[in-house]
Amino acid sequence: QQPVQSPQAVILREGEDAVINCSSSKALYSVHWYRQKHGEAPIFLMILLKGGEQKGHDKISASFNEKKQQSSLYLTASQLSYSGTYFCGTRGVTGGGNKLTFGTGTQLKVEL
Amino acid sequence: EAQVTQNPRYLITVTGKKLTVTCSQNMNHEYMSWYRQDPGLGLRQIYYSMNVEVTDKGDVPEGYKVSRKEKRNFPLILESPSPNQTSLYFCASSFGMRLNTEAFFGQGTRLTVV
Repeated sequence: QQPVQSPQAVILREGEDAVINCSSSKALYSVHWYRQKHGEAPIFLMILLKGGEQKGHDKISASFNEKKQQSSLYLTASQLSYSGTYFCGTRGVTGGGNKLTFGTGTQLKVEL
Repeated sequence: EAQVTQNPRYLITVTGKKLTVTCSQNMNHEYMSWYRQDPGLGLRQIYYSMNVEVTDKGDVPEGYKVSRKEKRNFPLILESPSPNQTSLYFCASSFGMRLNTEAFFGQGTRLTVV
């Protein structure tokens, strides 16, 4: 069962912040975040493991609430290079714990 | 250069004609997987492999086969392709037998079945 991402699409002006949410109906072991630019392969952003941690690099960070089975990706002071489609992938605690199930993606466009 | 290489990048074929999409990685990764990407559906995992001779079904395995005879290669086989398998396919690999590390994706194979 695919995780649900919201919003489906968002348009920002350069310098604005955004939050992308990822929600699952099953208990999660980890949440993975990737960004894909049009016509290219997905690129890894970060993994959050069970334990309710928060991670970040540069102006992109994420949190993982394992009790709520939710993760959020935070993009701060967005840049034009942040444009693309963001995918969360989830790995369940049970039932196929080595499968990675991605959401349908959030399209982010950053404009001047 | 560390990379995942897929071939071919583009392929147009006819219904029922067997085809193989190759995937090779040079990072000595244990975990490899195949995904298909369709508009509005995101990336869906077809098959994965945790090591040589160990493969398992992902979320959409019907109509596909895989094999893992060598650590570096993980080909995707469509024995009798149908138009609903027209899609963008990605191979990915990651270190270790568990999904705890970054996945590296190939550049994708755009398959059209007519």
